[in-house]
Amino acid sequence: GESVGLHLPTLSVQEGDNSIINCAYSNSASDYFIWYKQESGKGPQFIIDIRSNMDKRQGQRVTVLLNKTVKHLSLQIAATQPGDSAVYFCAENRTGRRALTFGSGTRLQVQP
Amino acid sequence: EAQVTQNPRYLITVTGKKLTVTCSQNMNHEYMSWYRQDPGLGLRQIYYSMNVEVTDKGDVPEGYKVSRKEKRNFPLILESPSPNQTSLYFCASSLRTGTYEQYFGPGTRLTVT
Repeated sequence: GESVGLHLPTLSVQEGDNSIINCAYSNSASDYFIWYKQESGKGPQFIIDIRSNMDKRQGQRVTVLLNKTVKHLSLQIAATQPGDSAVYFCAENRTGRRALTFGSGTRLQVQP
Repeated sequence: EAQVTQNPRYLITVTGKKLTVTCSQNMNHEYMSWYRQDPGLGLRQIYYSMNVEVTDKGDVPEGYKVSRKEKRNFPLILESPSPNQTSLYFCASSLRTGTYEQYFGPGTRLTVT
C-alpha cells in the first residue's frame, strides 16, 4: 500500500559528525514533504520542508534532499550536536489531501 | 508565548467512561488537527478542522468526535473509550489549510483499562 517509511529505525553518530536520515515514499502524487524532530516527552517540532518542484533546500545546519526519480527524501544534519538527539519524522502531503501522512520515525543518538 | 496547549497531559480511565481532551492555540490559526501516536505506526491523523464549524475525518476517526465552536479550541471527545484507544495524542495547528508547518502541543498520554 501507499506509505511513507524510513530505512533505519535508529542512527547513532559521533558528536561533530554529519548525520543523514533517509525516508522513502511511494506516492508519486505527493507534492510537499516535511521533516519534524521529536524530543522525548515533547510534541514534534518543524525542522524544514521542501516542495516537489525542488531538489534541495537548506536551513541552519540542515539540508533536505529530494530525489523524485527514486522517491527518496533525506535530511542531513551538519556537525551533529547532543541536542540533535531525537526521533525524526518525515511527512508527506499528497496533492488534493488536507492532511499530512507521517512515517514511523528514526531515532538519532549522538554519542559524545 | 505562541503555543498549543493540551489538557490533561496524562489520563488513566476505564472502558466506557466518556472523556474529553482539550486543545487550545493562541496563534489565531485556522487549521487544527488531532493525531495519535503509537509505537511503530508514527503519527496518524484522527480529525482535522479547517475553520470554525468545519471539521472532517482523518485516517483513523472511529471512536472519536471533535467540535470547533471557537477558533482557538478543538476538543477531542471519546464517547466510550476502549483499550485500543490507549495512545499518545497530539493536537496541532497551522495558520491556514495548505500551510503545512504545524505547531504541536505537548501531548496527552491516555490509558484505557
